[in-house]
Amino acid sequence: NAGVMQNPRHLVRRRGQEARLRCSPMKGHSHVYWYRQLPEEGLKFMVYLQKENIIDESGMPKERFSAEFPKEGPSILRIQQVVRGDSAAYFCASSPQGTYSGNTIYFGEGSWLTVV
Amino acid sequence: DQQVKQNSPSLSVQEGRISILNCDYTNSMFDYFLWYKKYPAEGPTFLISISSIKDKNEDGRFTVFLNKSAKHLSLHIVPSQPGDSAVYFCAASEVRAGNNRKLIWGLGTSLAVNP
Repeated sequence: NAGVMQNPRHLVRRRGQEARLRCSPMKGHSHVYWYRQLPEEGLKFMVYLQKENIIDESGMPKERFSAEFPKEGPSILRIQQVVRGDSAAYFCASSPQGTYSGNTIYFGEGSWLTVV
Repeated sequence: DQQVKQNSPSLSVQEGRISILNCDYTNSMFDYFLWYKKYPAEGPTFLISISSIKDKNEDGRFTVFLNKSAKHLSLHIVPSQPGDSAVYFCAASEVRAGNNRKLIWGLGTSLAVNP
């Protein structure tokens, strides 16, 4: 886990507010992945980004959710107008620039979002 | 459609015995498999992996076996220790366009090792 930094670790938002979760990948990693874990469920892939590009967003809800990974700075997962069902643990992971065999991704410690 | 299945949501094992966690997959294009361990309130950590060109990979107390014809892999932990109590996720990987890989995850198996 060391190296992938997520903040905040815990975030409380009222319904209708916006939540912003940040992820700084490991040094030298240019691929970032966001996952969500709902209570009592497994890891659900949300989005895969490289610098300034969204590669795969097939797991992102169609509305209210967006992600970016700018040229400079951390990746941000943004949830607008949060609802109680958004309460979950959000995990970021990173991997080195793509190689055929380097499939290991490294996770951060997660950001726990609670919507009240 | 769940391409990676961990059919046992939970498993309980006595300390010192062997723990066997199972994982089945449906996509024959998967060529790399990984196991991650997750403690509560922490992120998953990489445990062990195996390429489809192998049928076994061992790292200390952890061994992963791959049966490609059955599309089945298993993680063996021996001897099991109380500190192994965690949720174990199986993940499978295939190459997509642009040499990018996508990991497909199982839902996890919660292992409890009893002293």
